[in-house]
Amino acid sequence: DAGVIQSPRHEVTEMGQEVTLRCKPISGHDYLFWYRQTMMRGLELLIYFNNNVPIDDSGMPEDRFSAKMPNASFSTLKIQPSEPRDSAVYFCASSSRTSGRKNTGELFFGEGSRLTVL
Amino acid sequence: LAKTTQPISMDSYEGQEVNITCSHNNIATNDYITWYQQFPSQGPRFIIQGYKTKVTNEVASLFIPADRKSSTLSLPRVSLSDTAVYYCLVGDITKDSNYQLIWGAGTKLIIKP
Repeated sequence: DAGVIQSPRHEVTEMGQEVTLRCKPISGHDYLFWYRQTMMRGLELLIYFNNNVPIDDSGMPEDRFSAKMPNASFSTLKIQPSEPRDSAVYFCASSSRTSGRKNTGELFFGEGSRLTVL
Repeated sequence: LAKTTQPISMDSYEGQEVNITCSHNNIATNDYITWYQQFPSQGPRFIIQGYKTKVTNEVASLFIPADRKSSTLSLPRVSLSDTAVYYCLVGDITKDSNYQLIWGAGTKLIIKP
């Protein structure tokens, strides 16, 4: 398996523009997570899905952020409009109850999308 | 949700054994202890997980005392490539409600030649 695939790897945009980040989880995983990482706040969970259904979006900072998972192999995180304070690395991770080491629920992360909002 | 406390940074030298201790005083009965490693420009990667006593795999050992209020990640004979940030997390990964693992600041480990 190719692992969790994220795109784009880097995105530079101007304030006010719409940003869409994409994620393809590992086949067979039924959990998908979106995280944001900054130097100041570390790793923050934004939202996670189980079987394509959003379970907890309490980490989504505000209405400018939205996430969808239309099917088991694809998810998007959208920011509209973007602001400079949204600059961060956004990680997607997937998991299942028995992924990786048996019964450990190991999280598999993508390489991240580095977003810079000018 | 149990929070963890780790040293912010540590230095060591190639060939040495490195031990990173994590405190989790309010760990719950069903919580597991999991360690991840993160290199620059990459996502975190699972290292090891345990519930109690000692767990060992091909890259590390995890020591958990009887009261489970702390845990120690042990990296044998480190090399320069072990320079990374190490995160300790606790949570009950068997229940849907507790997939909100809290990521602390982690421990930045720097290995010197």
